[in-house]
Amino acid sequence: AQSVTQLGSHVSVSEGALVLLRCNYSSSVPPYLFWYVQYPNQGLQLLLKYTSAATLVKGINGFEAEFKKSETSFHLTKPSAHMSDAAEYFCAVSVRLKTSYDKVIFGPGTSLSVIP
Amino acid sequence: EPEVTQTPSHQVTQMGQEVILRCVPISNHLYFYWYRQILGQKVEFLVSFYNNEISEKSEIFDDQFSVERPDGSNFTLKIRSTKLEDSAMYFCASRLGQGKAGELFFGEGSRLTVL
Repeated sequence: AQSVTQLGSHVSVSEGALVLLRCNYSSSVPPYLFWYVQYPNQGLQLLLKYTSAATLVKGINGFEAEFKKSETSFHLTKPSAHMSDAAEYFCAVSVRLKTSYDKVIFGPGTSLSVIP
Repeated sequence: EPEVTQTPSHQVTQMGQEVILRCVPISNHLYFYWYRQILGQKVEFLVSFYNNEISEKSEIFDDQFSVERPDGSNFTLKIRSTKLEDSAMYFCASRLGQGKAGELFFGEGSRLTVL
């Protein structure tokens, strides 16, 4: 069965410091992977997605993620944290289950706090 | 920019009452979803809908839940007799296609509070 784990339910970084949010997936077939961000009291916004092209994916707001098949990981990074990055981050996997359908499964989320 | 819209943004209801949450997906999208997020918890898949029928549903989506797309525009989630544990944020999502085109676009959510 496909699944997503996110190590660390809560991460705190100082403003200007590196952000690293971890995501590992379990899938028997090549997955498509996503990172979504949720700001307080808002919906889910796509940050970036991996669709089997380049393994290093750049997204919005300076975020990027690298797909590592050998480690089954898709960690999210940003070189320099900004106060506005404080939010909940969800890693998600989309796996083809049938010929006409695939499902998106979300990880448990990581809450990012940025300390001034 | 096209977006998924949901109404109401917040609904308070008494236990046992019926609730209908409404969604207008992006107009050319073909796949529609409902997800649920209980406060402070993960985003959980409820149901997917394609070609006017349910494609898949989770174990959460029991007989109290139903979905329909009555007019080719709206996509609704009905909870027949709400329970306290149905209190959550409900997100509607749509996608144009599958696989590489499989980015989900989410609405802002409908917060349901069951008293």
